[in-house]
Amino acid sequence: AQSVTQPDIHITVSEGASLELRCNYSYGATPYLFWYVQSPGQGLQLLLKYFSGDTLVQGIKGFEAEFKRSQSSFNLRKPSVHWSDAAEYFCAVAGGGGGADGLTFGKGTHLIIQP
Amino acid sequence: GAVVSQHPSWVICKSGTSVKIECRSLDFQATTMFWYRQFPKQSLMLMATSNEGSKATYEQGVEKDKFLINHASLTLSTLTVTSAHPEDSSFYICSARGYNEQFFGPGTRLTVL
Repeated sequence: AQSVTQPDIHITVSEGASLELRCNYSYGATPYLFWYVQSPGQGLQLLLKYFSGDTLVQGIKGFEAEFKRSQSSFNLRKPSVHWSDAAEYFCAVAGGGGGADGLTFGKGTHLIIQP
Repeated sequence: GAVVSQHPSWVICKSGTSVKIECRSLDFQATTMFWYRQFPKQSLMLMATSNEGSKATYEQGVEKDKFLINHASLTLSTLTVTSAHPEDSSFYICSARGYNEQFFGPGTRLTVL
């Protein structure tokens, strides 16, 4: 069965500093990987996704993620965070193409931004 | 963009009653919708896959007789929590499949007293 591990429950970063959120997955075949952000009172918003091709994926809001098959990782990065980035971040994996299958989510990382 | 709504956004009910939650894709048609459950400070767990015009597919451990899913049209799926108990209190989130990805609703907070 597929699984996702986000080892950091909370991360605190100063505004303007760089950010990296870790994600490791377990899946037997080529995974479809996603990063979502969840803000209070709002639905999950897709930041970026990886299906195939270039292993460095660009997303919205200045986020990027790098797929590393050898490390089974899909870490999310941002060069300079803004106070509005404070939220819950979820990494997810799907076995089927695109949105064909239900997603398996990690436990999430709560991002706190210090002024 | 693709928008998914849920109604109600929160509901409080008494133990033993049934509660229906609606999930609608507002500007696209979705043959497939998904229902997730999220406990406080925890991840989303896939409960079931809802396909328009056919029976839902439930994940292992999810009671199909307790969580009734109906996907009667290309824009509406409903989740009915039957004979709700306090342990069913949770945040229920739906998503609709469209444009090769899933779009999530804002969620419904269910509290069973």
